[in-house]
This record gives sequence, C-alpha cells and structure tokens, in this order.
Amino acid sequence: QKEVEQDPGPLSVPEGAIVSLNCTYSNSAFQYFMWYRQYSRKGPELLMYTYSSGNKEDGRFTAQVDKSSKYISLFIRDSQPSDSATYLCAMSQYSGGGADGLTFGKGTHLIIQP
Amino acid sequence: DVKVTQSSRYLVKRTGEKVFLECVQDMDHENMFWYRQDPGLGLRLIYFSYDVKMKEKGDIPEGYSVSREKKERFSLILESASTNQTSMYLCATLTQGEETQYFGPGTRLLVL
Repeated sequence: QKEVEQDPGPLSVPEGAIVSLNCTYSNSAFQYFMWYRQYSRKGPELLMYTYSSGNKEDGRFTAQVDKSSKYISLFIRDSQPSDSATYLCAMSQYSGGGADGLTFGKGTHLIIQP
Repeated sequence: DVKVTQSSRYLVKRTGEKVFLECVQDMDHENMFWYRQDPGLGLRLIYFSYDVKMKEKGDIPEGYSVSREKKERFSLILESASTNQTSMYLCATLTQGEETQYFGPGTRLLVL
C-alpha cells in the first residue's frame, strides 16, 4: 500500500502565524520523507528532506517525522505572504525515490494573508 | 544550475491522437520520471527510467508508454489520447546519491 493522506485545504492564516502541515501514511517501509513546495504553474521544488524519524530545522522551517505513528509534519514559523503555495509531502523506501519513484500526498494549499 | 525542460507548457489535442511529451535534462542524471498531477489526486507516478533504454512502470502506466533513447531525454507517449488523460504532466530527474528529484515546469495537456 502506498497511500499518503494530506488535507488539501485551503489553509488560510495571517502573516506571522505558525503554520502546521501534516501527512499520514500507511506503508511502514517508507524511510525517506520530503516536503516539496509548488507555486502556481511551476514544478515542485524540494523544501525539506528527512531520513527516518526525527526533526530537522532549516531557517523558519522544521520537519518532523514520527515513524511509530506514521505521521510527518512541516512547521513554518513567522509565515510570510511569499510562503503562499501548495505544499506536498512525499516519501519513499529508497533515497530520492530512485528505485520506485516518490509517493506524494495530495498537497495542501496554503494562503498567508498580509 | 539544474535544468529540466519540457517541450510544451500547454498542449491541446483531440481524442485518438498520438501525443508525445518530451523532457530534456542537462545534468547527466541517471533516473528520470513522469508523473501526472490532478486536483484531488496529487502527483502519481506513470513511468520511470534508471538508464538509457530501460523503463519501469509506475502506479498508473495504463494508456501510456515511454522512450529513453538518450540519457538526457525521456519521452512520454499517449498512444491514443483520451479525455481522462487531460492533466498536468511533470517530468523529474534524480542522480545517485542525491536526495531530491528535480522537476520540470510541467505540461498542461487538454484532450478534447
């Protein structure tokens, strides 16, 4: 099974708020977890990458993975209007999805209100 | 700088036509992927290739075929386009040891 569940939103928050985006999955073989950001009419671009369980921080972004619960999160601090985009979680059994591609959530449409 | 280009941004075709979508990368990446993206369904893997002339089916290969004659080019072929193939098609590449797939800008295909 390769299902990944992600609330499609839209999620609308005021500028400066903390944003929490989440995905759940069913395949316990997933080891690599990613968050991609996609602006309108563009291809997705990698935002955060995490291997196995744990936290990873990069500037205003924090990714969390809890493999025991099959639950991953992306937190955005001090959200900016430029963060308005669709956020896609993705995961794979293999690094980068090289052996069998990535399995994506449906994406959450995030709107940051100025 | 990483570059993945797709031959068309927008394409309109008729039902039954044979459609070619081209993807070209300049990064010498071994792996190339074709996904389609639909509202409410997200990105789904159609086919991928890990080497020249090699191809593997993804999750939704029905109605599609692919060709990889050169390392830098990966083509998606709709043998006989149908209206349910109206979608955004995204090409991606990956090289061994890297964590991320690099995506092209996408081709928005409308089949009438």
